[in-house]
Amino acid sequence: GAVVSQHPSRVICKSGTSVKIECRSLDFQATTMFWYRQFPKQSLMLMATSNEGSKATYEQGVEKDKFLINHASLTLSTLTVTSAHPEDSSFYICSAMRAASDYGYTFGSGTRLTVV
Amino acid sequence: DAKTTQPPSMDCAEGRAANLPCNHSTISGNEYVYWYRQIHSQGPQYIIHGLKNNETNEMASLIITEDRKSSTLILPHATLRDTAVYYCIVRVLNTGNQFYFGTGTSLTVIP
Repeated sequence: GAVVSQHPSRVICKSGTSVKIECRSLDFQATTMFWYRQFPKQSLMLMATSNEGSKATYEQGVEKDKFLINHASLTLSTLTVTSAHPEDSSFYICSAMRAASDYGYTFGSGTRLTVV
Repeated sequence: DAKTTQPPSMDCAEGRAANLPCNHSTISGNEYVYWYRQIHSQGPQYIIHGLKNNETNEMASLIITEDRKSSTLILPHATLRDTAVYYCIVRVLNTGNQFYFGTGTSLTVIP
């Protein structure tokens, strides 16, 4: 149990366009999901906390108008990278916690975004 | 803020035990130690967690020192598929608190 599905796994987009990444908890409900970004050879950096039915909480230095997060249901959070630029190219990973789970968070398989 | 310190890299011979250390000298009494690993271009995978007792599961063993200021993840018989970056994280159990990742240890299992 506790499977998190992330889609798409890879996306290439043109500079200036927007890209939406979906994160779904398949077999559990998640009131809270998290979005991370990872650049090559670096660790995961927490971008924001996504709360179902309310506004996301962004980490310091993360532009909330650029990285739009929507958590409209207990099983789906989306991250939209707006007006993408080449420097936004990165590996984006979401995670979710099953309520009362001992196992911390389950992570999605990640989305490789390339902006050309 | 990452509250753990790990060596940046380690090598281990295939079939031998891999012992990955982690320092968490500022750990609070209600914080657990979690270990995750990330194989290249995948999301992190849960390995094991513990509070103060040693823990073992089908993947690994976790040894936590009595003062809880450090721990060691043990992969008893490393295989090539265990080559990954291993992250040690401390956090309170069952809360909505975020996971903050440190730099991790890049483990290379050598044939």
